[in-house]
Amino acid sequence: NAGVTQTPKFQVLKTGQSMTLQCAQDMNHNSMYWYRQDPGMGLRLIYYSASEGTTDKGEVPNGYNVSRLNKREFSLRLESAAPSQTSVYFCASSSGTGGWDTQYFGPGTRLTVL
Amino acid sequence: AQSVAQPEDQVNVAEGNPLTVKCTYSVSGNPYLFWYVQYPNRGLQFLLKYITGDNLVKGSYGFEAEFNKSQTSFHLKKPSALVSDSALYFCAVILPSGGYNKLIFGAGTRLAVHP
Repeated sequence: NAGVTQTPKFQVLKTGQSMTLQCAQDMNHNSMYWYRQDPGMGLRLIYYSASEGTTDKGEVPNGYNVSRLNKREFSLRLESAAPSQTSVYFCASSSGTGGWDTQYFGPGTRLTVL
Repeated sequence: AQSVAQPEDQVNVAEGNPLTVKCTYSVSGNPYLFWYVQYPNRGLQFLLKYITGDNLVKGSYGFEAEFNKSQTSFHLKKPSALVSDSALYFCAVILPSGGYNKLIFGAGTRLAVHP
């Protein structure tokens, strides 16, 4: 039982390049999330997926797209990377959408955009 | 707007002493409150949560937190700190509204426990 896994762990991009961050969970969770972590700002929600086949914007969605490929996988795509997207990205999952459900986090992807 | 504040960027404590990491929230209604810990180069790990009931919540690794509705606080505590407790701690809040499970995080407090 690996929990939430993310690939890659590290990535360096040039401005304008594109890439996809992958996330998978093996806990049979319904909901999945993408966050970014910046110093002094905590974690901010980019996109979330309450269930397979649905996605919705979070607090900071601009410049990102997501795909809920199936119940296990939730990918985040940067179509044209910008230096402002330099951050650490975390994927999370929870069993449902109820307010009390604990979210479980992956190890993160450290992205640098030059 | 819903928010959560962690007023201290860093807390320093000697090993064996009690520790407190502070959190206050600003939401309407009854909040769901969480504490997470992040060790270096790792993802966030769940510590404990308050949903309803007893105001004192016990969690992992000997941590506990006290929900105080009148002071809108949810401070994290441990009676005796360990050097291995040194990490970044996040308080988070959800306002249940029938919508999705969106956590709002504080900025984080770095806990440094000195031998």
